[in-house]
Amino acid sequence: DQQVKQNSPSLSVQEGRISILNCDYTNSMFDYFLWYKKYPAEGPTFLISISSIKDKNEDGRFTVFLNKSAKHLSLHIVPSQPGDSAVYFCAAVTGSARQLTFGSGTQLTVLP
Amino acid sequence: EPEVTQTPSHQVTQMGQEVILRCVPISNHLYFYWYRQILGQKVEFLVSFYNNEISEKSEIFDDQFSVERPDGSNFTLKIRSTKLEDSAMYFCASSDEGGRFAGNTIYFGEGSWLTVV
Repeated sequence: DQQVKQNSPSLSVQEGRISILNCDYTNSMFDYFLWYKKYPAEGPTFLISISSIKDKNEDGRFTVFLNKSAKHLSLHIVPSQPGDSAVYFCAAVTGSARQLTFGSGTQLTVLP
Repeated sequence: EPEVTQTPSHQVTQMGQEVILRCVPISNHLYFYWYRQILGQKVEFLVSFYNNEISEKSEIFDDQFSVERPDGSNFTLKIRSTKLEDSAMYFCASSDEGGRFAGNTIYFGEGSWLTVV
């Protein structure tokens, strides 16, 4: 039951360029979407989120876009830095249930 | 910055043995969680805990699993009789978020890697 899907297991980007990570979902009951970043041997850390009533949320170099009709969200990182190299997980919540549903993750590598 | 701490960082156990994974959530948090990630797979919700009882659990959290907050600071996950497929990274998390859940206040620990042989 893959309610949250990240179809790209990996992405390589040159330093300074834009990184775009994608996520699709199937459950229309989700009302918050989040991106987590994970380094090896560490737990996921919250990066940015968006409510389902919005279509864009920006925080510094990170912007999340939500297209509800397509059930698709994306994370843009501009400009990408080598320190951004990590696994990025898309996650979603329904609000009524206190649990995160994660995607399978995308390994981002930013090349210097 | 406050953090969630987990012990042990890595444990190897024989199939059929009991395992207890320990967590110290952030001190003023009221909601506690366990998630796990089998190698190469997604992070999966196991259980949430509030006010000294389980509030939600997933299908993974069967009778072999239990959670406890024995002393007001620790939060433990017990696997009664481990199976090979229990091998995974187990993440503890906590949050202080009340009301409708937006998920952006959860703090995760660094994980406990369990290997069942």
